[in-house]
Amino acid sequence: GENVEQHPSTLSVQEGDSAVIKCTYSDSASNYFPWYKQELGKGPQLIIDIRSNVGEKKDQRIAVTLNKTAKHFSLHITETQPEDSAVYFCAASSIQGAQKLVFGQGTRLTINP
Amino acid sequence: NAGVTQTPKFRVLKTGQSMTLLCAQDMNHEYMYWYRQDPGMGLRLIHYSVGEGTTAKGEVPDGYNVSRLKKQNFLLGLESAAPSQTSVYFCASSSEHNAGRSGELFFGEGSRLTVL
Repeated sequence: GENVEQHPSTLSVQEGDSAVIKCTYSDSASNYFPWYKQELGKGPQLIIDIRSNVGEKKDQRIAVTLNKTAKHFSLHITETQPEDSAVYFCAASSIQGAQKLVFGQGTRLTINP
Repeated sequence: NAGVTQTPKFRVLKTGQSMTLLCAQDMNHEYMYWYRQDPGMGLRLIHYSVGEGTTAKGEVPDGYNVSRLKKQNFLLGLESAAPSQTSVYFCASSSEHNAGRSGELFFGEGSRLTVL
């Protein structure tokens, strides 16, 4: 089955700097790669996703890149703000009815003022 | 519009006791899921349902049972709780995931279960 590895487990950056979180996946059949953000005491919330027919996707300060050949994808957050502090999860699945996501281990991102 | 609601939010059990977690969604989603979240392990799928009256196993189904008697509700049961089931449990729901729709998962706020 699918296995998703996520690094780093913790990341601390200065406000205004960029943050990058990386994930690798094992199953070449996976073709959908979402990123979820989890704030303290809350459930995860989708922030951006990418499909395997696209190499990069941007939404304001966040972007995701995908390298299908190497089986890795990354989340980039630019101009970080205190409200970006949270735990971020990458995930992988195939595009079919039910979303049987396999999640990475999570990255705790801290933005220092 | 409440989204996904889980009850209870906290529960402490003794080993061998049974309990049921209830998940309710008001978005008319076909698909519902139960995940568990443990430190350093991300979220792992326990069971899921593709519609009323259906259930299927996920990655870590052992020790759990589920039922989907109504479209809006998905119940997770522990028949004989074990300390290894101490975790935070998340319910989620989604619409169909296909080429035209993302099938975004909408999560509840979690239920923290401690088994002594």
